[in-house]
Amino acid sequence: QVQLQESGPGLVKPSQTLSLTCSVSGGSISRGSQYWTWIRQPPGKGLEWLGRVYSAGTANYNPSLNGRITISLDTSKSQFSLILTSVTAADTAIYYCARELATIGWDFWGQGALVTVSS
Amino acid sequence: SYDLTQPPSVSVSPGQTATVTCSGETLASRYTSWYQQRPGQSPVLVIYQDSKRPSGIPERFSGSVSGNTATLTISGTQSLDEADYYCQAWDSGDAVFGGGTRLTVL
Repeated sequence: QVQLQESGPGLVKPSQTLSLTCSVSGGSISRGSQYWTWIRQPPGKGLEWLGRVYSAGTANYNPSLNGRITISLDTSKSQFSLILTSVTAADTAIYYCARELATIGWDFWGQGALVTVSS
Repeated sequence: SYDLTQPPSVSVSPGQTATVTCSGETLASRYTSWYQQRPGQSPVLVIYQDSKRPSGIPERFSGSVSGNTATLTISGTQSLDEADYYCQAWDSGDAVFGGGTRLTVL
């Protein structure tokens, strides 16, 4: 059973950089056909896909983030990370990491980490 | 950008059938997935590839697609099915979610 756990600061100042890490256990992060994904949910609102990194290391991102996002994989630590730059209050959300199995979807999720952008 | 439209809310009586719709252009030519999110919890995949159920998801959950509309059907709805439901599809390599439907079991 794959388990994911988000970690990182719960409070980030406007214009600064949001950084989160997702630790993966119970499975190999480098096995093929897996995409490691970040999804967020502003309080009381719906889900927004942020982007994903393939097990081989290539990534793709939601165009609406206008290049502010980087997702990277660290197979030696069985972790993947999210960096979001120039944050504003609109980036306040619960951030979920999840595993996507190709053609199936996100079958395992972390519990979510609330990040608030405020001075 | 690609949009998926869901009704904000659906109500159903216990034991009855609930239907949640999701509309989007050319949806029949894409795979639709459905996620259930109970209050305070992470989403759970309940339907993938339009109509397939992951292991552990009760048979009362089913999915279908016709034209530009995907439908999630919950037969014999139970109180524990009360949750938000999100449809999801892919557009040019990017994932898109519907706005979500709050299912209330009255």
